[in-house]
Amino acid sequence: DIQMTQSPSFLSASVGERVTLSCKASQNINKYLDWYQQKLGEAPKLLIYNTNNLHTGIPSRFSGSGSGTDYTLTISSLQPEDVATYFCLQRNSWPYTFGAGTKLELK
Amino acid sequence: QIQLVQSGPELKKPGESVKISCKASGYTFTDYAMHWVKQVPGKGLKWMGWINTYTGKPTYADDFKGRFVFSLEASASTANLQISNLKNEDTANVFCARKGVSGSFDYWGQGVMVTVSS
Repeated sequence: DIQMTQSPSFLSASVGERVTLSCKASQNINKYLDWYQQKLGEAPKLLIYNTNNLHTGIPSRFSGSGSGTDYTLTISSLQPEDVATYFCLQRNSWPYTFGAGTKLELK
Repeated sequence: QIQLVQSGPELKKPGESVKISCKASGYTFTDYAMHWVKQVPGKGLKWMGWINTYTGKPTYADDFKGRFVFSLEASASTANLQISNLKNEDTANVFCARKGVSGSFDYWGQGVMVTVSS
């Protein structure tokens, strides 16, 4: 199975700050990497698919990049409504595997 | 609009069975695969497998072979998950998620909390 390692596990940032979250795969996942946002008590929501494609309706402050084993989610200017846990998911091979998540809070 | 609506919370005893449903609306059910994802409260997400909504063929992740069954009521645009011989470690929130044209999970159900306790 492909292991997905997210860092940091916890991040505290200020409104307006640029935030970068990392996801590292244990082997090449050929850009089959999605990012999901999960707010407390809710289902996950798709933000970015296939590394750098913004899902419909997602604000442009969210962006993704990466290749091979290393991937990044960037929030260009953090907003209060971005408080959530962020998970990456690899879909390169079965079983699909999620990272453990990065919990993002406001400073 | 596209929606996945799951059945309500379940409280079961060890050894019992449970069947949870995921009703889709707003799109052609058989055009998109349905996946299942487990989340232990306060923990991460684990992919359980998926069902081809056109053929009905299920595929299970290794940890979900044996006691877990994915099925369809295609005429009702509904996917089901049955878990038999429930164990305490099955206590979790279980989500259904549609696999969209991009390959990602573009719509999710609200989740069903399954609690197994004696």
